[in-house]
Amino acid sequence: DVKVTQSSRYLVKRTGEKVFLECVQDMDHENMFWYRQDPGLGLRLIYFSYDVKMKEKGDIPEGYSVSREKKERFSLILESASTNQTSMYLCASSPAGTVGDSPLHFGNGTRLTVT
Amino acid sequence: QKEVEQDPGPLSVPEGAIVSLNCTYSNSAFQYFMWYRQYSRKGPELLMYTYSSGNKEDGRFTAQVDKSSKYISLFIRDSQPSDSATYLCAMRGGSNYKLTFGKGTLLTVNP
Repeated sequence: DVKVTQSSRYLVKRTGEKVFLECVQDMDHENMFWYRQDPGLGLRLIYFSYDVKMKEKGDIPEGYSVSREKKERFSLILESASTNQTSMYLCASSPAGTVGDSPLHFGNGTRLTVT
Repeated sequence: QKEVEQDPGPLSVPEGAIVSLNCTYSNSAFQYFMWYRQYSRKGPELLMYTYSSGNKEDGRFTAQVDKSSKYISLFIRDSQPSDSATYLCAMRGGSNYKLTFGKGTLLTVNP
């Protein structure tokens, strides 16, 4: 079974702090993704990576950066946390390939509160 | 017009009812259509996947895609309290990593 593990379930940070959200997958997947999920807005893609050291912006990359130094690990960085970044953050992975049945496997999320 | 529209509900049905969940979309390039189920305090998990138009059945679940109408559906037969969750439709084009999600429909099945 694919396992996507997010390091924290709940996180509380102060405005202006630099925040690191960590995600590890154990199925040797090439693709990894960071989404945020907000009531009434659904899931929105922040960044994704299709290979080590490769990254592409999603729909809402502003205020975020990412790091993928190893295939199994994908980190989301909030350079200077703001209250509007309070959200549920979901990491996902999928095998290589853009066609066919390449489902996303999600972690259970990190609920981040910025005060 | 949003790329994917999904009625957020909430939808409440008695146990044993047939449930119909729907999404409409505007991007004719979408070819792969999925339904994810998300239980409370969990990440979404893939429930059904369909390529292009047609039906797909898996146990009590049936996914339908009508590309001419840009409309997809998920039917749940003999619904169970364990089906209570948020259901998210998702779709993408053929040569694209990016999934576009609906906002999700919250379903409660009452015993």
